[in-house]
Amino acid sequence: AQSVAQPEDQVNVAEGNPLTVKCTYSVSGNPYLFWYVQYPNRGLQFLLKYITGDNLVKGSYGFEAEFNKSQTSFHLKKPSALVSDSALYFCAVRDDRGSGNTGKLIFGQGTTLQVKP
Amino acid sequence: DSGVTQTPKHLITATGQRVTLRCSPRSGDLSVYWYQQSLDQGLQFLIQYYNGEERAKGNILERFSAQQFPDLHSELNLSSLELGDSALYFCASSAPGLAYEQYFGPGTRLTVT
Repeated sequence: AQSVAQPEDQVNVAEGNPLTVKCTYSVSGNPYLFWYVQYPNRGLQFLLKYITGDNLVKGSYGFEAEFNKSQTSFHLKKPSALVSDSALYFCAVRDDRGSGNTGKLIFGQGTTLQVKP
Repeated sequence: DSGVTQTPKHLITATGQRVTLRCSPRSGDLSVYWYQQSLDQGLQFLIQYYNGEERAKGNILERFSAQQFPDLHSELNLSSLELGDSALYFCASSAPGLAYEQYFGPGTRLTVT
């Protein structure tokens, strides 16, 4: 079955330090992987995706993610964290089973990122 | 602003009642997805429509139903509401194809009392 795991409920970093939010996946075919961020009382905002190609994917707000096929991981990174990055982060995999144009997202449980000044 | 709109933002209703949540996708997007976010279940896929037709179903209760209209807006109907239905309900839309990301609306917060 397609699944995504985010092993950390919360990640704490100091402002200016690099951050990593971890994600591992399990899929039966090609992985289509996504990161979303959710601020309090807001919807999910798309950050970046991996479909194919370069293992390092760059996204919005200075975020990037590293796809590692052998470790089945897709960790979210940022070289220098900002207090405003504090939010809930979701990793997701697209479920490509079934007929064309299906593609629901299967989400991890979310990781709360807390960046302290 | 994702371009996906949802109404209402908040809804408070009593057990046993029926409510309708509305979603308008981004201009040009044919696919609409509905998700439920709750503390105990996390983000769960409910149902997908593509150009008016149902394409995929997740763990959607029989008391819930949805449809997509010719103008591509979608409605999620929740009936015989229970306390456990209290959650955030998100609508998302995307362009055709698995490679395209989904864009989420701001959600409707449903509280069942």
